[in-house]
Amino acid sequence: GAVVSQHPSRVICKSGTSVKIECRSLDFQATTMFWYRQFPKQSLMLMATSNEGSKATYEQGVEKDKFLINHASLTLSTLTVTSAHPEDSSFYICSAPSGVGTDTQYFGPGTRLTVL
Amino acid sequence: EDQVTQSPEALRLQEGESSSLNCSYTVSGLRGLFWYRQDPGKGPEFLFTLYSAGEEKEKERLKATLTKKESFLHITAPKPEDSATYLCAVAHGSSNTGKLIFGQGTTLQVKP
Repeated sequence: GAVVSQHPSRVICKSGTSVKIECRSLDFQATTMFWYRQFPKQSLMLMATSNEGSKATYEQGVEKDKFLINHASLTLSTLTVTSAHPEDSSFYICSAPSGVGTDTQYFGPGTRLTVL
Repeated sequence: EDQVTQSPEALRLQEGESSSLNCSYTVSGLRGLFWYRQDPGKGPEFLFTLYSAGEEKEKERLKATLTKKESFLHITAPKPEDSATYLCAVAHGSSNTGKLIFGQGTTLQVKP
């Protein structure tokens, strides 16, 4: 199946700092990628849709100025958590469709963010 | 309201004890139903895509089926390595936005 990578896998930062998470599609191109957040023992919650060459679209309740998304190329999307606070601590996962017009998505391994 | 509900929330099986996980959905215009496996601290791993009622797919000890209202993930003679959280998700609507609605998952524990 298609491979999606994320970097870093874990990050610990101080409150008030910004953290950037990268999501890459390794063996295919993705004009669209998705960012999810997962709290302990809960399911995945979609945060935003990342669109190559245009602005991201955010789900209701997600602050676009806090979670900056940049889809710089057909294989890379980045999520920057700005001015992070302890409540932003979570597991962040990206996904990408395996091909144009398909609904099947492949997920990255996730990034564990801990804000002290 | 579009919704995906999985049951049971948790399931404990003895090795070799077959069982089924349920995913019921109420969405308008189902485009596809997906099963994923998620191990602790990792991203979901793709298992199956089902598109229409009556469709079935198999992979090793797993078999997924789909009706107009629900999907089942059958696990035959499970092994301890099958222990994980199994997630069900649906894509719906007339346009392909790529958005998925996830169920809460079923956490499976298989004891040797």
